[in-house]
Amino acid sequence: AQKVTQAQTEISVVEKEDVTLDCVYETRDTTYYLFWYKQPPSGELVFLIRRNSFDEQNEISGRYSWNFQKSTSSFNFTITASQVVDSAVYFCALSEARPGAGSYQLTFGKGTKLSVIP
Amino acid sequence: NAGVTQTPKFRILKIGQSMTLQCTQDMNHNYMYWYRQDPGMGLKLIYYSVGAGITDKGEVPNGYNVSRSTTEDFPLRLELAAPSQTSVYFCASSYGRPKQYFGPGTRLTVT
Repeated sequence: AQKVTQAQTEISVVEKEDVTLDCVYETRDTTYYLFWYKQPPSGELVFLIRRNSFDEQNEISGRYSWNFQKSTSSFNFTITASQVVDSAVYFCALSEARPGAGSYQLTFGKGTKLSVIP
Repeated sequence: NAGVTQTPKFRILKIGQSMTLQCTQDMNHNYMYWYRQDPGMGLKLIYYSVGAGITDKGEVPNGYNVSRSTTEDFPLRLELAAPSQTSVYFCASSYGRPKQYFGPGTRLTVT
């Protein structure tokens, strides 16, 4: 069974601070995919990134960066110079690619609520 | 493209009533999913479909039914609504790839 753990329930930072959101996952598969989604107060889910298990390169997109480490089963997300608009709930999710079924079901963590204070 | 659309956006049901949550996608995606999000929790998979006529249970299917008669539509049926089904429901679709496209959600309250 797959599992995603986001140990940080809520984080508050002052604007312009850097913040890292932790994500630890469990899976028996060798091929899998990891995601981060943002859920702003308006409630929709915004896709941020997908990473497959074969690619351990870190990625940077503007103020966002992701650190994927298979050795520790972690996929952490860092926001640099946080802004008020970053205030949201952030979800880490795991998808296993199952041969035959191929349904790519997503297993979500419970989310981390980030509050950026002006 | 409208993407994934869900109706209604909000609904209040009385205990024991039934209703259908509608989900439509215009991206010709073969895979579709229903998730529920309880307060303070992540999303949990209710049902999914890998194509028209094919559906399967997810993690929390009890109290729900689905059908998939067309590629575009994937309605979720609640029979005998219970307070435990108060949640936000998200529909998603994908084209046989890991990335899923989510609808805006339906907020359901059962009282």
